[in-house]
Amino acid sequence: SAVISQKPSRDICQRGTSLTIQCQVDSQVTMMFWYRQQPGQSLTLIATANQGSEATYESGFVIDKFPISRPNLTFSTLTVSNLSPEDSSIYLCSVEDRSYEQYFGPGTRLTVT
Amino acid sequence: AQKVTQAQTEISVVEKEDVTLDCVYETRDTTYYLFWYKQPPSGELVFLIRRNSFDEQNEISGRYSWNFQKSTSSFNFTITASQVVDSAVYFCALRGGGGNKLTFGTGTQLKVEL
Repeated sequence: SAVISQKPSRDICQRGTSLTIQCQVDSQVTMMFWYRQQPGQSLTLIATANQGSEATYESGFVIDKFPISRPNLTFSTLTVSNLSPEDSSIYLCSVEDRSYEQYFGPGTRLTVT
Repeated sequence: AQKVTQAQTEISVVEKEDVTLDCVYETRDTTYYLFWYKQPPSGELVFLIRRNSFDEQNEISGRYSWNFQKSTSSFNFTITASQVVDSAVYFCALRGGGGNKLTFGTGTQLKVEL
C-alpha cells in the first residue's frame, strides 16, 4: 500500500485567510483525491486531481474556493480559500492503487476562528 | 446514483463480545467495489478490506470477518471478541465500476468498554 503524508497535520486560521495543504505519496500514482470530513460527519469528495490536467470537482465544490495543483505523480496541494468557520474540517488526500484500493493520508485538521 | 447506508449510528459493547456492523448499498453498476475503513480517535482512515462485486466469498482476517450478500445488497462487518482498541468509527464505502469516487456511509461509532 502507498504511504501518504500530509502537511500541516493541523492548523488554526483566521477568517478570510487561506490554507494550503500538501499531500506527498511515496510512489507514482495517476489519480489523487481530496476529501473533506466536517465535524462528526462522513467523508465527501471535493475533487479528483490528475497530473497534467485540471482537477475535476464534485457538485458543490468550485475551483475558486478549493484550487488544486498536481505538478507531478507524487504530489498535490489543496488550497482552501477565503476561510470561514464552516470550513473547519478534516481534509484528507487519498490515492488509488491498481487493485482499486484507496489509501488515505493522515489528514489535516483545520480550525477557522 | 450510489448510496451507502449504515443504519447503526453508535454501538456500545463490553470487551470480548462479538459485534456486527451493518452496511447496505445501492448501485446500478454491475461491477463495483465495497470497502470498510476504520477511523480511530486520532483521525486517520485505515483501510480494512476491499471486495469486488463478482466475488461473494466471505472473508476472515484474524478477529475480523466480512459477509457480502448481493441478494440483499449488504456488506456486513463482524468483530469477534472485541477489544478496547477496536473503539473507532467504521465507514463502509462503495466505488462504482466506471469511476474512482468513493461514496461513504455515515459511519458507525463503536465503543468497546471494559
